[in-house]
Amino acid sequence: KQEVTQIPAALSVPEGENLVLNCSFTDSAIYNLQWFRQDPGKGLTSLLLIQSSQREQTSGRLNASLDKSSGRSTLYIAASQPGDSATYLCAVRPSIPGGSEKLVFGKGTKLTVNP
Amino acid sequence: NAGVTQTPKFRVLKTGQSMTLLCAQDMNHEYMYWYRQDPGMGLRLIHYSVGEGTTAKGEVPDGYNVSRLKKQNFLLGLESAAPSQTSVYFCASISLRGLAKTAQYFGPGTRLLVL
Repeated sequence: KQEVTQIPAALSVPEGENLVLNCSFTDSAIYNLQWFRQDPGKGLTSLLLIQSSQREQTSGRLNASLDKSSGRSTLYIAASQPGDSATYLCAVRPSIPGGSEKLVFGKGTKLTVNP
Repeated sequence: NAGVTQTPKFRVLKTGQSMTLLCAQDMNHEYMYWYRQDPGMGLRLIHYSVGEGTTAKGEVPDGYNVSRLKKQNFLLGLESAAPSQTSVYFCASISLRGLAKTAQYFGPGTRLLVL
């Protein structure tokens, strides 16, 4: 059974710092991995999607990498800002028969960027 | 495109009351999902649908029913609300063609408090 783990559960950094959020998954049979952002009281916003054949995706100050063979992904945030404070979730789309319909989510990392 | 919308945004129920949450999407997506999100538990799948007229159980289906009479709408019903159903409910959708390639879209959420 696919499991997704995000460590740490919470992270606090000073403004301007570069930081890395981690996501690990137990089964490498995936179509893709997605990173989401969730602000307090809001829904999930898709940040980056990495296909299983890709190594990384970039959007502005965000860079997500994927190492499918080791079951790991990282979300790198450059020059963090207080506005980056949110919970970041990763999710994988399994490529096993009957399993691809459902994303498997981690529990998220709550990021606080202090001014 | 409005994307994925949810009605209502917030509701308070008394134990034993019933209600229906409405999810609507205007992207012609085949797949629709209902999740609940609770502190420390992450996102958990309640029910999902792979097309009009079809529904399937997720991880935590007990106490909920769903219907997908129209492709664009997915209804979540609570027949007899219990305090344990106090949660934030999210709807999501994705297209069949995009399942392996694109991001899943989420609605803004419905906060439900059962007293």
